[in-house]
Amino acid sequence: QKEVEQNSGPLSVPEGAIASLNCTYSDRGSQSFFWYRQYSGKSPELIMFIYSNGDKEDGRFTAQLNKASQYVSLLIRDSQPSDSATYLCAVKEGSVSGGYNKLIFGAGTRLAVHP
Amino acid sequence: DGGITQSPKYLFRKEGQNVTLSCEQNLNHDAMYWYRQDPGQGLRLIYYSQIVNDFQKGDIAEGYSVSREKKESFPLTVTSAQKNPTAFYLCASSPPPGRLHYGYTFGSGTRLTVV
Repeated sequence: QKEVEQNSGPLSVPEGAIASLNCTYSDRGSQSFFWYRQYSGKSPELIMFIYSNGDKEDGRFTAQLNKASQYVSLLIRDSQPSDSATYLCAVKEGSVSGGYNKLIFGAGTRLAVHP
Repeated sequence: DGGITQSPKYLFRKEGQNVTLSCEQNLNHDAMYWYRQDPGQGLRLIYYSQIVNDFQKGDIAEGYSVSREKKESFPLTVTSAQKNPTAFYLCASSPPPGRLHYGYTFGSGTRLTVV
């Protein structure tokens, strides 16, 4: 069973701080990794993807990938109250013969940024 | 603008009734997916389809049925056999395999409540 694990939280950080969200996965063949943000009552929206080891930065967001440790993280710098949401880690499963590689989702980490 | 349209936004089902949730996409994506999300929980895969006239069961297919007669459309029927259907239902789509950086695009969701 391919699994993606996240701490459910809530992760509470003060406004302006760095929020660090972590994710581990079990499928060693996975090549692509995604972070989705989901506001309460809304659908998930893609905010970051990464497929090379190391860091990838996009504005206040940095995704970090370590395939040897099977670990993905998302850093949010200068956290704002509007960042308060659930963050879902998704891992594209490794090679599947004859078909699409599905995304395996973690259960999400709830982030609360307080003023 | 390309995207995924789910309807209705809210749906109420009486006991013993079948209901159908609509999902239409104009992204020219081959693969489509249905997920269920319960409060405070992650996404659980119900059904997915990689090509017209073909679909596979996900992790929680019992009590649900789908069809894929057109590339753009992937309706989900919640049958009376589904004993606890109250949940948030999300439809998603993805482009063909081999594109590492493409995740899923989600619709805005349908909230189903049993009355």
